[in-house]
Amino acid sequence: SQQGEEDPQALSIQEGENATMNCSYKTSINNLQWYRQNSGRGLVHLILIRSNEREKHSGRLRVTLDTSKKSSSLLITASRAADTASYFCATRPGSSASKIIFGSGTRLSIRP
Amino acid sequence: EPEVTQTPSHQVTQMGQEVILRCVPISNHLYFYWYRQILGQKVEFLVSFYNNEISEKSEIFDDQFSVERPDGSNFTLKIRSTKLEDSAMYFCASSSGTDSYTFGSGTRLTVV
Repeated sequence: SQQGEEDPQALSIQEGENATMNCSYKTSINNLQWYRQNSGRGLVHLILIRSNEREKHSGRLRVTLDTSKKSSSLLITASRAADTASYFCATRPGSSASKIIFGSGTRLSIRP
Repeated sequence: EPEVTQTPSHQVTQMGQEVILRCVPISNHLYFYWYRQILGQKVEFLVSFYNNEISEKSEIFDDQFSVERPDGSNFTLKIRSTKLEDSAMYFCASSSGTDSYTFGSGTRLTVV
């Protein structure tokens, strides 16, 4: 089964607008993390939310977690051209010692 | 800020050849990982390593793959006999355990 599926697969918005990406997962988790990947580059950790947390903020990022619906959202406010990247959610399953499992990602494009 | 360093950044190899991908994790981290990303696809877990042994591995990590921490600082992934389908971006990561990972910038492996 797939663990961590994002939607939409691709999102294009105007600079200055807010971008919302969603992630759904299937099994119980210890935490959920969001990562950014610029084209052809490595993965950069953005934010981690634990299973007992509902919302977390970091700068222009806001993450929510609904464990009853097994879903999370990442909101980027006041988007900038430099936010253009792929965004992945990654879950740490409750059954795992430490591995995280990535979703398929959302490709975000910010139009100037 | 501490970094995970991967070498080489790009490796081209003939099918059937052995390759070794190298990583230097963050020095006080205890968990080490290899992930791969085939072009245009999701990031897939290969293996996690803790206390000098494999703690988890995926179905992808078959007998052709092995990992080693030869000298207390390097962490290597060996592919014994490369196949065309091994062409991918390989990411090393390390963590202190339950929190976020720090990823390297990856090695692009091209099997010809």
